Amino acid sequence: AQTVTQSQPEMSVQEAETVTLSCTYDTSESDYYLFWYKQPPSRQMILVIRQEAYKQQNATENRFSVNFQKAAKSFSLKISDSQLGDAAMYFCAYRSLDNYGQNFVFGPGTRLSVLP
Amino acid sequence: DGGITQSPKYLFRKEGQNVTLSCEQNLNHDAMYWYRQDPGQGLRLIYYSQIVNDFQKGDIAEGYSVSREKKESFPLTVTSAQKNPTAFYLCASSRKGDGGYEQYFGPGTRLTVT
Repeated sequence: AQTVTQSQPEMSVQEAETVTLSCTYDTSESDYYLFWYKQPPSRQMILVIRQEAYKQQNATENRFSVNFQKAAKSFSLKISDSQLGDAAMYFCAYRSLDNYGQNFVFGPGTRLSVLP
Repeated sequence: DGGITQSPKYLFRKEGQNVTLSCEQNLNHDAMYWYRQDPGQGLRLIYYSQIVNDFQKGDIAEGYSVSREKKESFPLTVTSAQKNPTAFYLCASSRKGDGGYEQYFGPGTRLTVT
């Protein structure tokens, strides 16, 4: 079974600065998908970014980008020009292609605080 | 607008009572999921369903039951057998297949049992 680890329970960043959240995973599969979700205080889960394992190019969505290292099984999220609205729990998630792609595994989350 | 609705947002029950949480989606997704989230914790899978009239247990199914009579609906019943039912419950849906489709989440239901 796959596992997802986020080794930083809490992090903080100064407004306008850059922060990187870590995620590692364990799998024997070669094809899969990785996601970062954001859960703000409203508790609504919001997709931040997605990465296909077969793509070497790192995904980017505006101020959010990932550093995907397939061999190291690492998938970190970089937030540039941090804003107060970025304060949230961030979850890294793995989606297997087995079982018609129904297997999602979430990490324990990293709570990000943004300091004004 | 397409999306997932969960109702109610807050639910209070006495110990020993069964309670049903509603989850409806109009995204035409085949797959639906129920997760439990405890304070400061990640998401733990309770049940999931890939198709109408079929569902599978997740990691923490004991004390819970579900049904999938319609594609749009996936209600979760928290039974009196669930030892620690107080938690935040999230429903999600996704397209089925190997396209790397993400999960879409509802706003959640906060259940408090006293």
